[in-house]
Amino acid sequence: EDQVTQSPEALRLQEGESSSLNCSYTVSGLRGLFWYRQDPGKGPEFLFTLYSAGEEKEKERLKATLTKKESFLHITAPKPEDSATYLCAVQGGWGSASKIIFGSGTRLSIRP
Amino acid sequence: GAVVSQHPSWVICKSGTSVKIECRSLDFQATTMFWYRQFPKQSLMLMATSNEGSKATYEQGVEKDKFLINHASLTLSTLTVTSAHPEDSSFYICSLSGTSGGVDRTDTQYFGPGTRLTVL
Repeated sequence: EDQVTQSPEALRLQEGESSSLNCSYTVSGLRGLFWYRQDPGKGPEFLFTLYSAGEEKEKERLKATLTKKESFLHITAPKPEDSATYLCAVQGGWGSASKIIFGSGTRLSIRP
Repeated sequence: GAVVSQHPSWVICKSGTSVKIECRSLDFQATTMFWYRQFPKQSLMLMATSNEGSKATYEQGVEKDKFLINHASLTLSTLTVTSAHPEDSSFYICSLSGTSGGVDRTDTQYFGPGTRLTVL
């Protein structure tokens, strides 16, 4: 059964303090691993898609990496506006509408 | 990415009434739409998947007669919660995949802003 586990559940950092969020997954035939940002009371905002082990993508202070078993979302010198819940999701199997399985998220809080 | 809207953004209704939530794609040909439910401090749970012009495929445990989904066009899908009860109170979010400007975007889902449903 496809499964996604995110850790830690919550993370509090000082502004400028770099850290990483973890997403461990098991899936039959990975089609894609996704990172989303979700602010309270809003829908998820797409950040990255990673397709194969070794792939990396960057966007401003965020960098996502992928191995065969896990993905990391590295946040460098975070700012208070980076505070949000970060969701990891995987899409496995094949077919035009293969569903996405979401992790429970990491609530990130950046103190000024 | 795609611009996705939902209407209403929040709704309060009495127990036993039906509520319709609309999900629109403003710049995207949504061949597939997804409906999720999210309870406080929990992650998104997929309710159903629909392809334009076809019947929706519901996830295990989701009552298809209670949550009616219509995906009538490439830009509109609706979710109707029939005979709503307090336990149906949740945050309902749609997402879509498809094509934009002729470019295949089926490998990514783009989410709407969500609809907060409160059933009294």
